[in-house]
Amino acid sequence: EVQLVESGGGLVKPGGSLRLSCAVSGFTFSKAWMSWVRQAPGKGLEWVGRIKSKNDGGIADYIAPVKGRFTISRDDSRSTLHLQMNSLKPEDTAVYYCTTETLAPDYGSSWFDSWGQGTLITVSS
Amino acid sequence: SYELTQTPSVSVSPGQTASISCSGDKLGNKYVSWYQQKPGQSPVLVIYEDAKRPSGIPERFSGSNSGNTATLTISGTQAMDEADYYCQAWDSDIDVVFGGGTKLTVL
Repeated sequence: EVQLVESGGGLVKPGGSLRLSCAVSGFTFSKAWMSWVRQAPGKGLEWVGRIKSKNDGGIADYIAPVKGRFTISRDDSRSTLHLQMNSLKPEDTAVYYCTTETLAPDYGSSWFDSWGQGTLITVSS
Repeated sequence: SYELTQTPSVSVSPGQTASISCSGDKLGNKYVSWYQQKPGQSPVLVIYEDAKRPSGIPERFSGSNSGNTATLTISGTQAMDEADYYCQAWDSDIDVVFGGGTKLTVL
């Protein structure tokens, strides 16, 4: 059974930092592309970024609003995904979900097929 | 930037067919996925690559995508289908984009 368990959420002041973790089990983490998706209170889903498998270069991609402030990393030996968030802003307040991103064999499409329970980040003074 | 537009809310009677649309420029040229999210829960993938159902998703969920519009159709809608539904598109140019979501009410 695929499981993704996020941790590290909480209340942080604007300008502060927080590190989220996502512990996974039930699949070969090292081969997986992993993403973070967030959802502000009462709002829709927003993709934050992904990290590719090391076999695909291990590169991380981000949306513009978080580029330079957020860093996604992975520890394949511990089957754990991380999201380091610096210079946090009130608009980063959201539930952050860890997800698996599955690619079609021809790399022509991708989708998010397993989700964690989410962890809430509140950025407020 | 690329945008996906969804009708904020759709209502359907139990047993009827619900259609939830998602529009975007030349959306038919991209692959679309759909997610169901019930209150207080994480999203669940219900359709990927326009029309494919993951294992465990009931056959009453189907999808299509052509022109500028993708559609999620729920046949014989049940009370348990009441949820928010999000479309998501991907291609090598736009990467990942979500629609704003549609609240499906079964009354």
